[in-house]
Amino acid sequence: SQELEQSPQSLIVQEGKNLTINCTSSKTLYGLYWYKQKYGEGLIFLMMLQKGGEEKSHEKITAKLDEKKQQSSLHITASQPSHAGIYLCGADTGANNLFFGTGTRLTVIP
Amino acid sequence: GAVVSQHPSRVICKSGTSVKIECRSLDFQATTMFWYRQFPKQSLMLMATSNEGSKATYEQGVEKDKFLINHASLTLSTLTVTSAHPEDSSFYICSAQKGTSGGALETQYFGPGTRLLVL
Repeated sequence: SQELEQSPQSLIVQEGKNLTINCTSSKTLYGLYWYKQKYGEGLIFLMMLQKGGEEKSHEKITAKLDEKKQQSSLHITASQPSHAGIYLCGADTGANNLFFGTGTRLTVIP
Repeated sequence: GAVVSQHPSRVICKSGTSVKIECRSLDFQATTMFWYRQFPKQSLMLMATSNEGSKATYEQGVEKDKFLINHASLTLSTLTVTSAHPEDSSFYICSAQKGTSGGALETQYFGPGTRLLVL
């Protein structure tokens, strides 16, 4: 069965620090999506990665997908309180749906 | 563009009653919509995939008679929780997918979610 693991599960950083969240799949992915969720709210689409080795950036957030398409990392540079929330990776398994990781709860201390 | 709405945002009901949750794509046509459930401090769990004009495909362990899904048009899918019980209390999120390319490579657009509390 498909497994998608995120690490760390929880992260507390000082404002201005950099951080990285990882998402690892047990199988090769067709695509990998990153979302941000504020607790109890809907998801905000951040980025989608499809090709091995692909890297995308949006403002201070950069996401990469490894060559084997089994691992992705989300990197935030100079974190701000507005970055706080739950980050979820979603994997396209090729079955026309998304399988989500366990989530990473990010707290940014001003 | 690509806005998805859900209604209601919150609902409290008595045990044994049925609750209907609507998911609408406001500015695009969604041939496929997905329903997810999220327990506190946990990730999203896919419940079912809904295709316009056909029966929904339920994930293993999800009771189709309990969670009725109707995708009557290209902009509307409904989830009805029948005979709701306290264990059905959860956060339900829908997503809508543009296009007909198949696979989830078309970005899914998520609704704001519906919080259900069954007393």
